Amino acid sequence: AQSVTQLDSHVSVSEGTPVLLRCNYSSSYSPSLFWYVQHPNKGLQLLLKYTSAATLVKGINGFEAEFKKSETSFHLTKPSAHMSDAAEYFCVVSSGPYSSASKIIFGSGTRLSIRP
Amino acid sequence: ETGVTQSPTHLIKTRGQQVTLRCSSQSGHNTVSWYQQALGQGPQFIFQYYREEENGRGNFPPRFSGLQFPNYSSELNVNALELDDSALYLCASSSLKDREVKNIQYFGAGTRLSVL
Repeated sequence: AQSVTQLDSHVSVSEGTPVLLRCNYSSSYSPSLFWYVQHPNKGLQLLLKYTSAATLVKGINGFEAEFKKSETSFHLTKPSAHMSDAAEYFCVVSSGPYSSASKIIFGSGTRLSIRP
Repeated sequence: ETGVTQSPTHLIKTRGQQVTLRCSSQSGHNTVSWYQQALGQGPQFIFQYYREEENGRGNFPPRFSGLQFPNYSSELNVNALELDDSALYLCASSSLKDREVKNIQYFGAGTRLSVL
């Protein structure tokens, strides 16, 4: 079985300060992990993905995430928040044997607010 | 823009009716996935089609069905609509090789369905 838990439903930071969005997962297979961002009335956009290569993954817009197998975590970070980062963020785990369905699980989302 | 288009953008139906949602995949993609995103929640995986065949299904009843056409566009059909079917329905296309689950999905902006 697999699951994904986003530990914070809402995170608020000041512009220019670091961002940390937390994600824990469980998976019976070697997982692929993704972070997506959803701006209001827009579709989901991929920020970054981990697929068993380097454990520190760099994405778009200055975001990065580190895969920690021992902690079953894949937290999203950014050194300095920008007003345009305000959005909903989803952590996604995808795993399963090739012969079966794609098991794609979204977290419940973290709403990121940026204070001026 | 991801190149994935969905129609219509908004739809209002009454309980018991049937609805068809459409998705045009990004050029070159052979796989389409459908998700249901209820208000304030993360997307839930409905099913995926790979080269016109179902490649996995989430925890949704049989009244949710789909089709993928030779040009890789897709339809989601929902019969006997219920009030709880009100949600944003997202389509995502990707290019799977040998049914891998690691590939990036590109999302459309979604169809917002309201069931009255």
